[in-house]
Amino acid sequence: AQSVTQPDIHITVSEGASLELRCNYSYGATPYLFWYVQSPGQGLQLLLKYFSGDTLVQGIKGFEAEFKRSQSSFNLRKPSVHWSDAAEYFCAVETSPNDYKLSFGAGTTVTVRA
Amino acid sequence: DAGVIQSPRHEVTEMGQEVTLRCKPISGHNSLFWYRQTMMRGLELLIYFNNNVPIDDSGMPEDRFSAKMPNASFSTLKIQPSEPRDSAVYFCASSPLAGTYYEQYFGPGTRLTVT
Repeated sequence: AQSVTQPDIHITVSEGASLELRCNYSYGATPYLFWYVQSPGQGLQLLLKYFSGDTLVQGIKGFEAEFKRSQSSFNLRKPSVHWSDAAEYFCAVETSPNDYKLSFGAGTTVTVRA
Repeated sequence: DAGVIQSPRHEVTEMGQEVTLRCKPISGHNSLFWYRQTMMRGLELLIYFNNNVPIDDSGMPEDRFSAKMPNASFSTLKIQPSEPRDSAVYFCASSPLAGTYYEQYFGPGTRLTVT
């Protein structure tokens, strides 16, 4: 079965600094990958997704992610964080059109300090 | 569009009571998902509907949990009887059509506390 690992439980970053969140997946074929963000007390919002094609995908709120097959990774990045980026971030994988299930990582909580 | 609507946003109940959580998916979406989020287990898919039909309920913890989708615009998740270990945030999500890589749109969640 596929699995998703987010190695970092909590990251603290200064406002204006860059941010990178790690995500590794375990699956034999190319998975379909997503990053979601959850602000406190809110539901999950899709930041970006990768299905195929260009391995660098752009998302909302200035985020981007790069799919690296050789490393089984789909890391999320933002060049300059804003205080409003403080939230929990989830990586998720869907393995095929017939497997509707999203497997979520445990999440990474991002704290932004002034 | 108003997005996925869930009610109530917060529910506090005593052990043994029946709890009903409600969800209104985004209009035109024909797939609906119920998730549970806890610190210990993270986000877990409980059940999935496609065109109002339950497709997979293998994530439902036990017989105390049941879910229905009587029409395309409404779904319920019922817990009877409730137990303290059911305390969690329950999310409903909808999707235009599962199986075509469309993203799932999540509601704000219902925070359930069972005392």
